[in-house]
Amino acid sequence: GQNIDQPTEMTATEGAIVQINCTYQTSGFNGLFWYQQHAGEAPTFLSYNVLDGLEEKGRFSSFLSRSKGYSYLLLKELQMKDSASYLCAVMDSNYQLIWGAGTKLIIKP
Amino acid sequence: IAGITQAPTSQILAAGRRMTLRCTQDMRHNAMYWYRQDLGLGLRLIHYSNTAGTTGKGEVPDGYSVSRANTDDFPLTLASAVPSQTSVYFCASSNRTGCQFFGPGTRLTVL
Repeated sequence: GQNIDQPTEMTATEGAIVQINCTYQTSGFNGLFWYQQHAGEAPTFLSYNVLDGLEEKGRFSSFLSRSKGYSYLLLKELQMKDSASYLCAVMDSNYQLIWGAGTKLIIKP
Repeated sequence: IAGITQAPTSQILAAGRRMTLRCTQDMRHNAMYWYRQDLGLGLRLIHYSNTAGTTGKGEVPDGYSVSRANTDDFPLTLASAVPSQTSVYFCASSNRTGCQFFGPGTRLTVL
C-alpha cells in the first residue's frame, strides 16, 4: 500500500529553527509537495521537490532524497504566525497526490 | 473571482437529505478534486476529474457523486446524507505541474 509518515505534533520556540520530517512509500514518484494549513483554513502550497536536494524559499526550505523516500521541511526564524499544520504529499505514478495526516506545529514565545 | 470558490461555507443537514456542494474555479485548470478532511486522518480523496466530461473515483467515493459538465464547475452530491459524512470538504484544482490549489472549504454536519 501507499503510505506517508510524518510526526503528529511538534513544539518549537519563536526565533528558533524546526525540521519536520516526512517519509513515504508510494507506487511511483512524480514529486513531493509541502502545504501549510492554518486552523479552520484551506491548505496553501509551500514547496515542490522532484529532484534530490534542497530547495530554499525565504525562511522555508525543503529537502528531498528519493533513494531514501525522505523529505524534510525546514523553517527558520520561527514566528508565531508559523503555528499551523504542515502537510506532506507525494504524487504517485498515476499523478494522484497521496497525503500525509499532517504535523501540527506549535510555536511558543 | 480569483481562484476557487465553494458554497455553502457551512451547512447542517438532516440524515437522509440530498445535498450538493458547489465548487467553481476561474483558473482554467483541467483537473479538479474533492477531498474530505477529518481530524487525525488528513485529506482523503473522494472523486476527481482530469478534464471536463470525465470523472474518477478516489479513496472514499461511496455515498458521493460528481459531474463535470464544463471546465469551471465541479459539484459534489450526497444523495442521502449519513452522520459519518460529517466533515470538512475541500475542492481543489491543479495546474500542469500537479500543484493543487484549494477552495476555502465547506463544513458539513449531518444529524
